[in-house]
Amino acid sequence: DTAVSQTPKYLVTQMGNDKSIKCEQNLGHDTMYWYKQDSKKFLKIMFSYNNKELIINETVPNRFSPKSPDKAHLNLHINSLELGDSAVYFCASSQEGGGTQYFGPGTRLLVL
Amino acid sequence: QKEVEQDPGPLSVPEGAIVSLNCTYSNSAFQYFMWYRQYSRKGPELLMYTYSSGNKEDGRFTAQVDKSSKYISLFIRDSQPSDSATYLCATERMDSSYKLIFGSGTRLLVRP
Repeated sequence: DTAVSQTPKYLVTQMGNDKSIKCEQNLGHDTMYWYKQDSKKFLKIMFSYNNKELIINETVPNRFSPKSPDKAHLNLHINSLELGDSAVYFCASSQEGGGTQYFGPGTRLLVL
Repeated sequence: QKEVEQDPGPLSVPEGAIVSLNCTYSNSAFQYFMWYRQYSRKGPELLMYTYSSGNKEDGRFTAQVDKSSKYISLFIRDSQPSDSATYLCATERMDSSYKLIFGSGTRLLVRP
């Protein structure tokens, strides 16, 4: 059973489109995260939710909107996609905060 | 200046070699230190988690933290081709336990 799963794995789309990425964790964790990893492998946090409440919102364009319908799910919606949004997006979860985070397999987004 | 600096490599070693991977950080507020391993096209997975200065050992892996010089290291003994991956160091502030700051990762290749 996959602990943290993301869909889709790959996403190729045109500039200006709107897309969503879904994440689910079956670990019973309270906290979920979205990270962006650029082409140089630099991994940067975007958002964090604890018990469906937003606790970290880094300097991310407001075209990105996270939504947590329940503790086990954290989705990421991106409006008006731009070329610079091309990256790998990782979802992660942890029990409360902390460094022991479990990552999903990533969603590779390519904006053309 | 990035908060966590890491040599991107790649680092190429023969099988059986001792590998040393290093990071420096700039902020003395960072109190927790982690090493994550990321295989190609996979999500990062936690290898080591440490708080205090000194060494922590787990099998072939040893994490070392020197808070006085803001330097963290990961040593891999008897390296194997299966250790070939990107290694990411990460830190966490005591007062911001939900936010990890990652280094840019060092790519390691262990040649058979």
